[in-house]
Amino acid sequence: GENVEQHPSTLSVQEGDSAVIKCTYSDSASNYFPWYKQELGKGPQLIIDIRSNVGEKKDQRIAVTLNKTAKHFSLHITETQPEDSAVYFCAASKGRIIQGAQKLVFGQGTRLTINP
Amino acid sequence: NAGVTQTPKFQVLKTGQSMTLQCAQDMNHEYMSWYRQDPGMGLRLIHYSVGAGITDQGEVPNGYNVSRSTTEDFPLRLLSAAPSQTSVYFCASRLSGGETQYFGPGTRLLVL
Repeated sequence: GENVEQHPSTLSVQEGDSAVIKCTYSDSASNYFPWYKQELGKGPQLIIDIRSNVGEKKDQRIAVTLNKTAKHFSLHITETQPEDSAVYFCAASKGRIIQGAQKLVFGQGTRLTINP
Repeated sequence: NAGVTQTPKFQVLKTGQSMTLQCAQDMNHEYMSWYRQDPGMGLRLIHYSVGAGITDQGEVPNGYNVSRSTTEDFPLRLLSAAPSQTSVYFCASRLSGGETQYFGPGTRLLVL
């Protein structure tokens, strides 16, 4: 089955600097790659996602890149702010979503700390 | 909309006790799922349902039962709790034709 590895497990950056979190996946058939942000005491919340027919996607200060050949994808956060401090999870899944049973496999998580 | 709600927020059980974790959503989502979150292991899928009356196993189903009698509710049952089931449990839902999963706030379970 699919296996998703996420690195680093912890990341500390100065406010205003950029942060990059990387994930690798094992199943070349995976075609959907979301990123979730989990704040303390809350459930994960989708912040950005990308499908396998796209190499990069941006949403304001957040971007995700995908390299299908190398089977890895990354989350980039620019101009980091204290409210970016959280745990971030990557995930991967395959199959057509209209089938209903598309299941996400999550990475281990990265605890990002933004230092003022 | 309240979104995805979970009760209780925190529970302490003794080994061998049973309990039900409640999950409800008011978004008319067909797909619902349960995950457990353990340190250093991300979220792992326990059970999922693609609609009322249909459930299936995920990655770590042993020790857990589910049922889906209505679209709104998807309870998770622990028949005989074990210390290995100490974890944070998240319920999630999405439209069957959608990609975005919406997570509840979680239930923290401690089994002594």
